[in-house]
Amino acid sequence: EPEVTQTPSHQVTQMGQEVILRCVPISNHLYFYWYRQILGQKVEFLVSFYNNEISEKSEIFDDQFSVERPDGSNFTLKIRSTKLEDSAMYFCASSLTGGGEKLFFGSGTQLSVL
Amino acid sequence: SQQGEEDPQALSIQEGENATMNCSYKTSINNLQWYRQNSGRGLVHLILIRSNEREKHSGRLRVTLDTSKKSSSLLITASRAADTASYFCATDLAGGYQKVTFGTGTKLQVIP
Repeated sequence: EPEVTQTPSHQVTQMGQEVILRCVPISNHLYFYWYRQILGQKVEFLVSFYNNEISEKSEIFDDQFSVERPDGSNFTLKIRSTKLEDSAMYFCASSLTGGGEKLFFGSGTQLSVL
Repeated sequence: SQQGEEDPQALSIQEGENATMNCSYKTSINNLQWYRQNSGRGLVHLILIRSNEREKHSGRLRVTLDTSKKSSSLLITASRAADTASYFCATDLAGGYQKVTFGTGTKLQVIP
């Protein structure tokens, strides 16, 4: 079955540094998402992306966050200046049709901000 | 907030028993989905039920949806140790929005 791939699986960074989390969604999918999960807690929506633009974002997704689809296969999440509270597992997901249909998740990037 | 609330937060049962998890949400939806997460790994889609459906089955899973009560339940029959995981309901907002919001999750432990 096709998979969503995320790299790296673990990322350690110093507070204030920029990080880029990378995702390769399923190739024929059109809708892309980032979620995060702080250890053992709820899965929080960050942003959805369709047709090369953000379709929705949450209040967590402030000016420190940005997303990009730089080519036909990658989907990235950039955090400009990381804070301690950004430490979490970040999940990328993709969907063929969007609109509340089935999401396919990657295995996540564990971000640790020191 | 539209976010779902699962109940119970944690559930421990013996292998072979049935497990029932409930989800409540606040606003009108198009679809409700259930996902499973093994210990810190990615979420895996289990089943989707549309707002005009009342019940759906997939293997050992049975999902019900009551839109008048804004609630859903997930039943896992004849549970196995391998079913040990966290289970989340997820809803979208009626009206063509893309955001899918996850509930707080039920941690299920199946004891062999």
